[in-house]
Amino acid sequence: AQSVTQPDIHITVSEGASLELRCNYSYGATPYLFWYVQSPGQGLQLLLKYFSGDTLVQGIKGFEAEFKRSQSSFNLRKPSVHWSDAAEYFCAGGSGGGADGLTFGKGTHLIIQP
Amino acid sequence: GAGVSQSPRYKVAKRGQDVALRCDPISGHVSLFWYQQALGQGPEFLTYFQNEAQLDKSGLPSDRFFAERPEGSVSTLKIQRTQQEDSAVYLCASSLRAGAPGTFGSGTRLTVV
Repeated sequence: AQSVTQPDIHITVSEGASLELRCNYSYGATPYLFWYVQSPGQGLQLLLKYFSGDTLVQGIKGFEAEFKRSQSSFNLRKPSVHWSDAAEYFCAGGSGGGADGLTFGKGTHLIIQP
Repeated sequence: GAGVSQSPRYKVAKRGQDVALRCDPISGHVSLFWYQQALGQGPEFLTYFQNEAQLDKSGLPSDRFFAERPEGSVSTLKIQRTQQEDSAVYLCASSLRAGAPGTFGSGTRLTVV
């Protein structure tokens, strides 16, 4: 069965420090992979996506993610976090056929320490 | 419109009551998805439309859940005889074409008491 796992429920990072949020996937073929951010009471905002090609993907707000087939991972990174980055982050995968919905991880809650 | 609009923003229903949740997708968007997000969880897929055709409803948890998109634009998710476990945020997403990532609305928070 297709699945997306985010091993970390909570992550605490100091403002200005680097960030890496983990995501592992289990799919039969290479999935389409996404990272979304959700602020309290808000919908999901797409940060970046991987369909094919270059395995290092650049997104909005200074985020990037690297697809590693050998590790079945798609970790999200940011070199220096800002207090406004505090939110819930979701990794998601899809088969890419367009007629199916995404499978989301349970999310990682990012806390920024001053 | 500029984004995906969902209404109502909040809904409190008594157990056993029927509810209807509305989604106005971005104009011209072909694909429309409904997701259910329980507290502290990631969204879970409910159903998918391409224009007015419901191509996948495998995620609907029971036959109390029904979705429609009769003219290929606005969609309604209906839940009959609501139960406490239906309490969640219901998210709608639309995309311009099949296979593209969707733009999400802010959701409807349903609380069944």
